[in-house]
Amino acid sequence: GAGVSQSPRYKVAKRGQDVALRCDPISGHVSLFWYQQALGQGPEFLTYFQNEAQLDKSGLPSDRFFAERPEGSVSTLKIQRTQQEDSAVYLCASSIRQQETQYFGPGTRLLVL
Amino acid sequence: GENVGLHLPTLSVQEGDNSIINCAYSNSASDYFIWYKQESGKGPQFIIDIRSNMDKRQGQRVTVLLNKTVKHLSLQIAATQPGDSAVYFCAENEWGAQKLVFGQGTRLTINP
Repeated sequence: GAGVSQSPRYKVAKRGQDVALRCDPISGHVSLFWYQQALGQGPEFLTYFQNEAQLDKSGLPSDRFFAERPEGSVSTLKIQRTQQEDSAVYLCASSIRQQETQYFGPGTRLLVL
Repeated sequence: GENVGLHLPTLSVQEGDNSIINCAYSNSASDYFIWYKQESGKGPQFIIDIRSNMDKRQGQRVTVLLNKTVKHLSLQIAATQPGDSAVYFCAENEWGAQKLVFGQGTRLTINP
């Protein structure tokens, strides 16, 4: 069946631009996660949704980062006024319920110039 | 590739040999552990998981061992194939915390 999909796969932004990254989780998955992966590192947690409720946003690095999942399905991660240090791969994962296996999408590679 | 891996531990094995990838975790409250495989340009792919009430779990060509006493996790891959070349991450999850905490990663290279 269809896995987690993300778009765009690649995004180049000029410093100061706003970007929006989309995640389509596996159909029926209640839990949705965003992670940030720097080059050569493991993914690091950003935020977590259960249905439309954002239950944990402790990993968001600054108030320039904002995530939403208004209908409990598709999620968008928005980064305002992008900085060079925001360059990374942004990964979305979903799981059927809490404490179950998280399945990852292919990621969006963001490059801020 | 995506992971330059300048600081990644590396493991090189001959095709057909068995591979063992190790991981130390830090949170004694973690009760769920997962191994992911990540190929260049792709997201992490689930391989196998284990909960803290077990010390061994087997899948197809893979075995995960958990030693809670020393907080150590290992992934064994039998009869390694070229397609096994990737970066392997262990991840831990504390009950109720939801988020995964990933280890450093190990780059596995298969020599023909």
